[in-house]
Amino acid sequence: EIVLTQSPGTLSLSPGERATLSCRASQSVSSPYLAWYQQKPGQAPRLLIYGTTNRATGIPDRFSGSGSETDFTLTISRLEPEDSAVYYCQQYGSMPQISFGGGTKVEIK
Amino acid sequence: QVQLQESGPGLVKPSQTLSLTCTVSDDSVRGDNFYWNWIRHHPGRGLEWIGYISYSGSTHSNPSLRSRVTMSVDTSKNQFSLKLNSVTAADTALYYCVRGVYQFDSTADQSYWYFDLWGRGSLITVSS
Repeated sequence: EIVLTQSPGTLSLSPGERATLSCRASQSVSSPYLAWYQQKPGQAPRLLIYGTTNRATGIPDRFSGSGSETDFTLTISRLEPEDSAVYYCQQYGSMPQISFGGGTKVEIK
Repeated sequence: QVQLQESGPGLVKPSQTLSLTCTVSDDSVRGDNFYWNWIRHHPGRGLEWIGYISYSGSTHSNPSLRSRVTMSVDTSKNQFSLKLNSVTAADTALYYCVRGVYQFDSTADQSYWYFDLWGRGSLITVSS
């Protein structure tokens, strides 16, 4: 089983700042099978990024993804108040086995 | 816009079977590239994938839950269902039905997997 570890647990930043969220895998993850989701209170998660770098439909270009093998990053280039949420990474592996990271909470000051 | 809607009992007694159904608002249940998933969110914890079923009825599930999980699909009703038996308090969670996409991009000569549509969730409490 591939375990995804996200850091930091909580990120507190001001509007306009850059947020860098990390997702580290216990084994190598194939890049096409790494995705990121945003979840706001009381809502279901929303797909942000798939295939490590591809933005989903309607996602602003301030969101970007990067990484390979065991280290992946979600970057929010200029934070806006509506970006306050919990962000999850997720991988799809062989068998298949699907797992999520524990989440990073982004707070906007 | 395609929508997914969970329906379930809300409260289940310990040792009994939890049953949930997801209704899909169009006939994409029959789509080759779609896989119909159950994912749960424990209070104060992260997301846990339970399993998926395809339109043809093939299933895969989380090894940690496999012995207790049964999934089915009814393409005539655009529905898929989950049964989780022998529940305990540890199964108390918000259960989502979710569409998984296995997409092949011919331009990039690459396939992708991701969850693109989620239901609003059904809160299941296990308690006597």
